[in-house]
Amino acid sequence: DAGVIQSPRHEVTEMGQEVTLRCKPISGHNSLFWYRQTMMRGLELLIYFNNNVPIDDSGMPEDRFSAKMPNASFSTLKIQPSEPRDSAVYFCASSLLAGEFTDTQYFGPGTRLTVL
Amino acid sequence: EDQVTQSPEALRLQEGESSSLNCSYTVSGLRGLFWYRQDPGKGPEFLFTLYSAGEEKEKERLKATLTKKESFLHITAPKPEDSATYLCAVYQVYSGGGADGLTFGKGTHLIIQP
Repeated sequence: DAGVIQSPRHEVTEMGQEVTLRCKPISGHNSLFWYRQTMMRGLELLIYFNNNVPIDDSGMPEDRFSAKMPNASFSTLKIQPSEPRDSAVYFCASSLLAGEFTDTQYFGPGTRLTVL
Repeated sequence: EDQVTQSPEALRLQEGESSSLNCSYTVSGLRGLFWYRQDPGKGPEFLFTLYSAGEEKEKERLKATLTKKESFLHITAPKPEDSATYLCAVYQVYSGGGADGLTFGKGTHLIIQP
């Protein structure tokens, strides 16, 4: 299996631009998670989906952030408009069991976002 | 208030020098504690899940233990390839609102010198 796939790996954009991050979970996995990692705050959960349905988005920092999962093999995290403080590494993770946080999460390689 | 605290922030060891990393937590209703390894430029890689106090798990040179307030990741006779950042995360069930999910510590950056 190819594991969790994220694209792009690196994104540099200017303040105010729209940014879309993409994730393909491991085939057959039923939960998908979006995390953000910074030096100051560490790894933080933004939102997660069970069976393509958003369950909890309370970690999303602002209305500028939105996430979708139109099908079991694809999810997007969009930031519009982007701001310099959004600069971070964004990780997508998936797990086999839906609704069970004790199940192992498999992380993608991350997207390093820089907002100038 | 930090619910998961890892110490030390950084640790430099000589090859073969055993040591322990600490993860202390203040959450209630712990459902699971996780250890991950993260290499530079990569996503976290799962190592262990511990569910209850007294539980221990081992994998090669690593051994994870859990008490009611903390977990230790013991590294025995480490090699340079064990150099990485080790992350601890807890899963708790929130009562009265709040988001379920994993809460991560900031990690311990481990360097093993040959």
